[in-house]
Amino acid sequence: GAVVSQHPSWVICKSGTSVKIECRSLDFQATTMFWYRQFPKQSLMLMATSNEGSKATYEQGVEKDKFLINHASLTLSTLTVTSAHPEDSSFYICSAEGTANTGELFFGEGSRLTVL
Amino acid sequence: GIQVEQSPPDLILQEGANSTLRCNFSDSVNNLQWFHQNPWGQLINLFYIPSGTKQNGRLSATTVATERYSLLYISSSQTTDSGVYFCAVKSPSGTYKYIFGTGTRLKVLA
Repeated sequence: GAVVSQHPSWVICKSGTSVKIECRSLDFQATTMFWYRQFPKQSLMLMATSNEGSKATYEQGVEKDKFLINHASLTLSTLTVTSAHPEDSSFYICSAEGTANTGELFFGEGSRLTVL
Repeated sequence: GIQVEQSPPDLILQEGANSTLRCNFSDSVNNLQWFHQNPWGQLINLFYIPSGTKQNGRLSATTVATERYSLLYISSSQTTDSGVYFCAVKSPSGTYKYIFGTGTRLKVLA
């Protein structure tokens, strides 16, 4: 299967600072990656679809100025939480569809953000 | 948009027991996957099963797309099966994204 790596796994930051999370496809090229957010004991909610070389497509209710997504290469997408506040504390997970156009989705390890 | 409901929401089993988890979806889909989220949050791919039946060891899954549901069977459960099970579907409506179900939280007791 395809391997997706996410970094960092854990991050604690002060309110008002910005945090960048990286998502890499290690053994395949991903023209499209997906960013999800998960609150405790809830399901995964799609935040945005990251497209290589173009602007991300955000889901309704997701602030694009708060959650900046950049997909500069076929193996890297980044999510930057700008001016983070305690309510942004959550588990953020990226994913990508593997090769062979099967449509199968593979996930990174996730990043747990705590904003103090 | 498409709605994805899973049942039961919570399940407690004794080690060795069998169980069936269900995923219902409100519209036609062209992709469906089952995942296991472990206690550390990692999502493990179990099955990519838009239709038909697949088996992998003690786990098997069946998707009946025409009736808009999928089932995940766990036999001879082990404590390591504990965690949350999600199904995720992709609709052919052209939105190119997976929508996750509500999840089933499983706890297997030794």
